Amino acid sequence: QVQLVESGGGVVQPGGSLRLSCAASGFTFSNYGMHWVRQAPGKGLEWVSFIRYDENKNYADSVKGRFTISRDNSKNMVYLHMNSLRAEDTAVYYCTKDWQWASDYWGQGTLVTVSS
Amino acid sequence: QSALTQPPSASGSPGQSVTISCTGTSSDVGNYNYVSWYQQHPGKAPKFMIHEVSKRPSGVPDRFSGSKSGNTASLTVSGLQAEDEADYYCSSYAGSHSWVFGGGTKLTVL
Repeated sequence: QVQLVESGGGVVQPGGSLRLSCAASGFTFSNYGMHWVRQAPGKGLEWVSFIRYDENKNYADSVKGRFTISRDNSKNMVYLHMNSLRAEDTAVYYCTKDWQWASDYWGQGTLVTVSS
Repeated sequence: QSALTQPPSASGSPGQSVTISCTGTSSDVGNYNYVSWYQQHPGKAPKFMIHEVSKRPSGVPDRFSGSKSGNTASLTVSGLQAEDEADYYCSSYAGSHSWVFGGGTKLTVL
């Protein structure tokens, strides 16, 4: 069965960096696009970034220029490199699998807290 | 990349039907038949409920249905059950490998 397991969250100071990882299994990873979606405490979902199977990618305006998405098809991994972190980046970050322009599988999420 | 507009709350009694709206623009909801819906219970990851406006993945009860007219999509939950009480989010493809979510609707089963 499909599994997505995020890791790498934690507490980081404003202006700091963090790399999130997502380990995928149960499907042919190289054939699918992957998303990162975040949810600030008590708030709604926000799409963050997408990387297609051919590594075409895009970002939400709120993170463009600060976050970088990447994938390693040999390891079935997707990453989110986050730089210049701000308090408003505090959220649970979910890794999701793309299917038919939607997110059909979600990980359990990893919490990122930006605080001094 | 403005968020889609959903009502903050909705409610209904067991057995009733409730419809949640999701309003976007001609750049997202109105331009693509790629609206999806997600159900989220407290403390849990979202669950995939509807894709491509009205298609239900296997395992999702047929009490859940989706539709779209112009820039507004809708999710209807028929025959409300206690376990349907949750937050519901819509999402739309917005072109150039970008997506947008709605602000979410808290559904209460009275």
